[in-house]
Amino acid sequence: AQSVAQPEDQVNVAEGNPLTVKCTYSVSGNPYLFWYVQYPNRGLQFLLKYITGDNLVKGSYGFEAEFNKSQTSFHLKKPSALVSDSALYFCAVSTGGGNKLTFGTGTQLKVEL
Amino acid sequence: GAVVSQHPSWVICKSGTSVKIECRSLDFQATTMFWYRQFPKQSLMLMATSNEGSKATYEQGVEKDKFLINHASLTLSTLTVTSAHPEDSSFYICSASRGGVPNQPQHFGDGTRLSIL
Repeated sequence: AQSVAQPEDQVNVAEGNPLTVKCTYSVSGNPYLFWYVQYPNRGLQFLLKYITGDNLVKGSYGFEAEFNKSQTSFHLKKPSALVSDSALYFCAVSTGGGNKLTFGTGTQLKVEL
Repeated sequence: GAVVSQHPSWVICKSGTSVKIECRSLDFQATTMFWYRQFPKQSLMLMATSNEGSKATYEQGVEKDKFLINHASLTLSTLTVTSAHPEDSSFYICSASRGGVPNQPQHFGDGTRLSIL
């Protein structure tokens, strides 16, 4: 069985500061890892994915994530946070690009002035 | 980018009513679509996987006679909540993956807020 853990329910950061949203995973075989963002009363928007290759993946809106196989982690990062980044972030894992996703519980990011 | 349209975005109806939610992939063919349910301040719970031209695969604990899924074409899947009751009130979200293209992410609709009175 595959699983995802997002240990922080909420992350607060000041605008302009770097942000990190943590994610660890458990899966049999090679992981396909994804980050999605959800704004209130909306569906999920795709940010980035790791399938294979470089451990540092760059995505939309200046976000990036680093795949660490030894730590089974896929933390989401951004060098300089914006107030508009405030939203709910989900990490997800699957065993194939078109296969069903298992989501973490989500991390609410709050960026303040 | 890939666009998935979900309709309606908001439904309020009386208990006992059946409600149909549509999920369309607007600019790509989706051999597989997924239906999720999300409770307030919680993660997404996969309800079923919908494959074009075949029966949906339901997750454990999801009543297939309660939540009817039809995936009749490569661009349309529907979820019908039959004889809805207040406990069925929730946020329902669909997603779709491109057919025939490996390693593609799922693309999500904007969700349907279902409120049963």
